[in-house]
Amino acid sequence: DAKTTQPNSMESNEEEPVHLPCNHSTISGTDYIHWYRQLPSQGPEYVIHGLTSNVNNRMASLAIAEDRKSSTLILHRATLRDAAVYYCILLSNDYKLSFGAGTTVTVRA
Amino acid sequence: GAVVSQHPSRVICKSGTSVKIECRSLDFQATTMFWYRQFPKQSLMLMATSNEGSKATYEQGVEKDKFLINHASLTLSTLTVTSAHPEDSSFYICSASPGRGHEQFFGPGTRLTVL
Repeated sequence: DAKTTQPNSMESNEEEPVHLPCNHSTISGTDYIHWYRQLPSQGPEYVIHGLTSNVNNRMASLAIAEDRKSSTLILHRATLRDAAVYYCILLSNDYKLSFGAGTTVTVRA
Repeated sequence: GAVVSQHPSRVICKSGTSVKIECRSLDFQATTMFWYRQFPKQSLMLMATSNEGSKATYEQGVEKDKFLINHASLTLSTLTVTSAHPEDSSFYICSASPGRGHEQFFGPGTRLTVL
């Protein structure tokens, strides 16, 4: 499985943007980049995914490097409800999600 | 987004008993569902892939005779933990997808405590 590397933790102030980096230098041409987040004692929640182009949805934006070896999840205005563990995952042809340690995001009021 | 439910949300059982956990996709059909396990302060670990109408495929190190998976319909998969022991106590989570290439939707999880 192609692996991803994320910082262990990140802090942000409420109403400020959060940029979550993810390195995936061994990504293959058909791997999709998926982001999920998990609040305590809940199942993960889908955030966004992309292949080559940058993506935007109501939750976040995904910026993908031109060589696809890294990507950044952008939360435009962090709220207290965005405090969670964020997982960057490469989805290959077997459609299995392999979760790493993720980045724990803390939002300060 | 699509909804996946799990039942029960929490179960406490005695050592040696079997526990069945249900995973349902409420507003879409899923030929494939996935079962994960998560221990405290750890990440999710994929246990098996549940395939509608055929046998589940298990990840390395997961005992198929202990964790029985049945995917009898396009909206229901069940995970049965047989002869549960305290070390099986964990948070069990399922996920489903409307189709290949789509995002996965996760259930709320089932907290299993084996006494």
